Amino acid sequence: AQKVTQAQTEISVVEKEDVTLDCVYETRDTTYYLFWYKQPPSGELVFLIRRNSFDEQNEISGRYSWNFQKSTSSFNFTITASQVVDSAVYFCALSEAWAGANSKLTFGKGITLSVRP
Amino acid sequence: DTGVSQDPRHKITKRGQNVTFRCDPISEHNRLYWYRQTLGQGPEFLTYFQNEAQLEKSRLLSDRFSAERPKGSFSTLEIQRTEQGDSAMYLCASSWDGGEKLFFGSGTQLSVL
Repeated sequence: AQKVTQAQTEISVVEKEDVTLDCVYETRDTTYYLFWYKQPPSGELVFLIRRNSFDEQNEISGRYSWNFQKSTSSFNFTITASQVVDSAVYFCALSEAWAGANSKLTFGKGITLSVRP
Repeated sequence: DTGVSQDPRHKITKRGQNVTFRCDPISEHNRLYWYRQTLGQGPEFLTYFQNEAQLEKSRLLSDRFSAERPKGSFSTLEIQRTEQGDSAMYLCASSWDGGEKLFFGSGTQLSVL
């Protein structure tokens, strides 16, 4: 069975601080996909990134970066120089590759990030 | 591209009543997904369609739940004989087969009194 653990439930930072959101996953599959989604107060989940299990290269996109380490089954997300607009709930998710990357996502419980001015 | 739309946004019903929700995916997308999200939890997969075929149903989906996508476009999710435990946000998403990401709607918030 697949499982995604986001041990942090709430994080509060002051604007311009860096913040890292942790994600640990469990799966018996050798081929899988990892995702991060953002859910702002409006409620609509927004895709941030997808990584497949064969690609352990770290990714940077503007102020966002992701660190994927198969050895520790972790896929952590860092926001550099946080802004108030980053305030949201962030979900890490996992899917099995055999049925297609988006066939069925298993989500973690989410981390509520509050960025104070 | 008008995004994924869900109707209604909110539904309040009494225990034992039947409710139906509608989801209109992004028009070019052939896959459609239903998820359920309760307060403080991540979305839980319920079912998904490729075109009009329902390819997978979660064990969470009891026989009181049924979903359809009759012409491979919009989808409906019906809950019969609602229970208080059905209170949740019901999320719809769509994608291309093999697409990188899901596009989510704003959800239907169901409250069962």
